[in-house]
Amino acid sequence: EAGVVQSPRYKIIEKKQPVAFWCNPISGHNTLYWYLQNLGQGPELLIRYENEEAVDDSQLPKDRFSAERLKGVDSTLKIQPAELGDSAVYLCASSLGEGAIYEQYFGPGTRLTVT
Amino acid sequence: AQSVTQPDIHITVSEGASLELRCNYSYGATPYLFWYVQSPGQGLQLLLKYFSGDTLVQGIKGFEAEFKRSQSSFNLRKPSVHWSDAAEYFCAVGIFFGNEKLTFGTGTRLTIIP
Repeated sequence: EAGVVQSPRYKIIEKKQPVAFWCNPISGHNTLYWYLQNLGQGPELLIRYENEEAVDDSQLPKDRFSAERLKGVDSTLKIQPAELGDSAVYLCASSLGEGAIYEQYFGPGTRLTVT
Repeated sequence: AQSVTQPDIHITVSEGASLELRCNYSYGATPYLFWYVQSPGQGLQLLLKYFSGDTLVQGIKGFEAEFKRSQSSFNLRKPSVHWSDAAEYFCAVGIFFGNEKLTFGTGTRLTIIP
């Protein structure tokens, strides 16, 4: 069974440019998460989807970040415009259902460098 | 709100030696507790989890962890480490209902020396 797929794996952009990350969760997983992982830190939740509905986006900086999960499968996270402080690893995870009881499976992440 | 503290930023252990990584949590009720491992360039992989019951939990790759309510701790142990265990280890806490998310600690980087 394929795991969580993310692309690109690495991205270097100049500040003020837009950038987008793509995530394909494990087949059948209804819950999808986007996490931000700064260097030397643990992942922090940005947004959680149940099917196509964003049920927790309280930590998403909505002035520059947006996300969508059309048809409740793939998801895209966008930053526009990017700032130097956005340099980090963006992780996508998926689980069968909502709630901490369900194991989250993580993708390899996208490492973003903003210059 | 729940929180997790991993007091050791970096630990170095000789191959074959025993290992203990510390994790303390803060939460008013019994939490769900997890240990994840992250190898360079890889996503996080679940090592083990505690929900209830036996406080000594066995996981993959020979790891175990013990939940101690009195100390608010969930330390990870392995009796004999292998060079392939070198990675970053994250402790995380989740709650039963309401805010359905995991809160991660800042991680402990494990280095294995020959």
